[in-house]
Amino acid sequence: QKEVEQNSGPLSVPEGAIASLNCTYSDRGSQSFFWYRQYSGKSPELIMFIYSNGDKEDGRFTAQLNKASQYVSLLIRDSQPSDSATYLCAVKNSGNTPLVFGKGTRLSVIA
Amino acid sequence: NAGVTQTPKFRILKIGQSMTLQCTQDMNHNYMYWYRQDPGMGLKLIYYSVGAGITDKGEVPNGYNVSRSTTEDFPLRLELAAPSQTSVYFCASSYPGQEVYGYTFGSGTRLTVV
Repeated sequence: QKEVEQNSGPLSVPEGAIASLNCTYSDRGSQSFFWYRQYSGKSPELIMFIYSNGDKEDGRFTAQLNKASQYVSLLIRDSQPSDSATYLCAVKNSGNTPLVFGKGTRLSVIA
Repeated sequence: NAGVTQTPKFRILKIGQSMTLQCTQDMNHNYMYWYRQDPGMGLKLIYYSVGAGITDKGEVPNGYNVSRSTTEDFPLRLELAAPSQTSVYFCASSYPGQEVYGYTFGSGTRLTVV
């Protein structure tokens, strides 16, 4: 059973702070790693994709991947109240295997 | 460009009833997926398809059936609904080799079985 683990939260951070979201996965064959944001009552939307060890930055978001430790994280700089949502980590093997999702971490940014 | 369209958006079923959740995409995506999301939980894969005529079970297929007769449509059938099937159902699609774009999700169907 492939597992993706996330702390369910809630994670509360003040506006302007850095939010750090973490995810671990069990399958060493995992190749691609995704972060989705899901607002309450809405469908998930992709915010970051990473497949190489190291950091990948996109605006205020940075994804970090460490395959040796089977760990992927998402940093959100200058957090805004509009970042308040559930963040889902998803993992994929090669080929046509579907994404495996974690339970998500609920982030609350306090103004 | 409509993307992924799911119908209905909401439905209440009685125990033992059956229904079909519809999913249509207009992006010519080969791959389509059905996930369910229980409150406070992540997405669990029910069934997926890599092309017309090809379907495969996911993590939680019991109580569900699917078919894929065309590239565009991937309906999910619930037979003999049970309270444990109360959930939000998401259909998604993707194109092989375009992982950087992730999945395109529909808006979801909120199903309650009473």
